[in-house]
Order: sequence, then C-alpha cells, then structure tokens
Amino acid sequence: DAGVTQSPTHLIKTRGQQVTLRCSPKSGHDTVSWYQQALGQGPQFIFQYYEEEERQRGNFPDRFSGHQFPNYSSELNVNALLLGDSALYLCASSLRLTRTDTQYFGPGTRLTVL
Amino acid sequence: AQKITQTQPGMFVQEKEAVTLDCTYDTSDQSYGLFWYKQPSSGEMIFLIYQGSYDEQNATEGRYSLNFQKARKSANLVISASQLGDSAMYFCAMRVDPSGTYKYIFGTGTRLKVLA
Repeated sequence: DAGVTQSPTHLIKTRGQQVTLRCSPKSGHDTVSWYQQALGQGPQFIFQYYEEEERQRGNFPDRFSGHQFPNYSSELNVNALLLGDSALYLCASSLRLTRTDTQYFGPGTRLTVL
Repeated sequence: AQKITQTQPGMFVQEKEAVTLDCTYDTSDQSYGLFWYKQPSSGEMIFLIYQGSYDEQNATEGRYSLNFQKARKSANLVISASQLGDSAMYFCAMRVDPSGTYKYIFGTGTRLKVLA
C-alpha cells in the first residue's frame, strides 16, 4: 500500500523565483492538504483540494496556489519567493466523508530560499 | 478563535515509564476532531490517535491513549511504557468544519526525550 509521496525532497531557490512542489496521495485517498512548517514550529495549513477544487484555505497570500489532478495528485506553486518561505512543506492526504478524515502525511519537501 | 495550545516545549521521561503530553483546544464548534501526530527528526508526521468530539470513550491505540476532557477542552496524550524510539516532536491538532469543509489547526509541539 503506497503511502503519500512528495517530490523533490530538497530544493534551493533564490528570492523572486517560482517553485512547484508535487504530491501523490496515499492509495484510495481523494483529498490533499498542504502545510508549511517553519523550523521549530507546528505545521500551518495552506489549503485543501478535493475534486480538483480548492475547498479551504489558511492565511496565506495569493502567491501560494495549487492544483489537483484527476488522479488526485496535487501541486503546490509558490511565486515571487521570499526568504521567509524557507520551510518544510508537507502534503497530507485523506479520504473524504469518512468519520475521522484522518490525514496521512508525506515526508515533506524542504525548501531553502537564498 | 480556534486554537491549539501545547504548553510543554520539552519533556523528559525515563524508559519504560508513562508520560503525559498536554494539549488544550479552543473552538466554538460542536463537531470537531482531535489528533496526535509524532514527528521524528526525519520530518515525516506519523498519525498516532484520533478522538471525535462526540466520542464518549477515550481513544486508545496500543501504548497511546488520549485523555479527553471535553468540559476542560483538553486532549492529553498518554504514552505508556516509553521506549527510546518514542523520542520525537509530538503535535496535537484539531479538525474543525467551517462551511462544510475541513480545516486543521496544529499546536506548537512538545519535544519528548526518552532517557535510557
């Protein structure tokens, strides 16, 4: 049973650049959420995708955008990178309409902005 | 405001002893879910246990149990018989349901160190 996978593992960018992170959900899951985790902090909810639409969004600027594909995989795009965007980006998947809606996380992508 | 509070930045426990990690939450929603996750130094978040707001019994999963006190809005994690491999960051999280979609809020975490 394949778990949540993310790519790339690490990424180094410079300020002003754009980045795309990718996520494949756990087999059988249909919902993908993205989180930003700064060093020493808890994960901050960015947004959630279900049926290829953004369903819920946290307090992140429009520079953060996403997409979900028909196979349920997802991308997170960040434009005009800032130094403060350096963080671990976590993807989590779940199966909607289950009682618990438990999220399972991928290993994350560590983004460094120089 | 919806919030998760973990007041213990760090905890130590002797191997084979039990430890309690504190979590309090704040929400005006009647329906919500509470989760605990473990994050080893590798970075991946590992799901441990879930408690629904309408669940009358405390959740248990192996050595993990969740001490749910709804009136106090607390959802403490109890780890029994600690093992060296339990050393990690532990996050409490809450799922709320604004407008029929889910939103998740995490606490700042507690770093647990198990001593041999």
